[in-house]
Amino acid sequence: QVQLVESGGGVVQPGGSLRISCAASGFSLTHHGMHWVRQAPGKGLEWVAIIWHDGTNEYYADSVEGRFTISRDTSKKMVFLQMNSLRAEDTAMYYCARQIDAGAFDIWGRGTMVTVSS
Amino acid sequence: QSALTQPPSVSGSPGQSVTISCTGTSSDVGSYNRVSWYQQPPGTAPKLMIYDVNSRPSGVPDRFSGSESGNTASLTISGLQPEDEADYYCSSPTTSATWVFGGGTRVTVL
Repeated sequence: QVQLVESGGGVVQPGGSLRISCAASGFSLTHHGMHWVRQAPGKGLEWVAIIWHDGTNEYYADSVEGRFTISRDTSKKMVFLQMNSLRAEDTAMYYCARQIDAGAFDIWGRGTMVTVSS
Repeated sequence: QSALTQPPSVSGSPGQSVTISCTGTSSDVGSYNRVSWYQQPPGTAPKLMIYDVNSRPSGVPDRFSGSESGNTASLTISGLQPEDEADYYCSSPTTSATWVFGGGTRVTVL
């Protein structure tokens, strides 16, 4: 069964760090670009980051560039998002999503909630 | 990385048609035929409804259709059903190798 399951969310203080994870099943990470998308409470979707299917490139939204890092472990079928220097405005549900050739996101996880608060 | 522009809300009675617009720039919507649309009922993860402007994944009803002209894409729901009530988002890759979403549109079935 093709699915994504996020984990690792929680409450962290401003300026702190957190790493969230996404477990993939039913497909190979080497065949798909993988993304993180977030949604602040009551707000719309915001694209965060991508790691290419071959792992050679990563790109980030301006709002997280230099603070967040996307990575993956293909053998464990895991995708990660390391988040440093967290701010209150990073509070959101973070979704992992699989990209298909069209550039669309065909599989989404249920999300993991990150709250930045003192 | 400015968000694509969508109307905040649209509404219609069951059986009617509604159309949601999604306006971008020549750096995103206007550069690729790769606009996609997502449905998100409250408290759930987004679901892909349309990709490549007007293609539907398996299982998506054919009352959902997409189109594009210049820097604006559109999603039309024909024969509106009560279960179509949700938030809808458009998305596009950009010439910077990033992606951008629209602000979202709440569809209300009257």
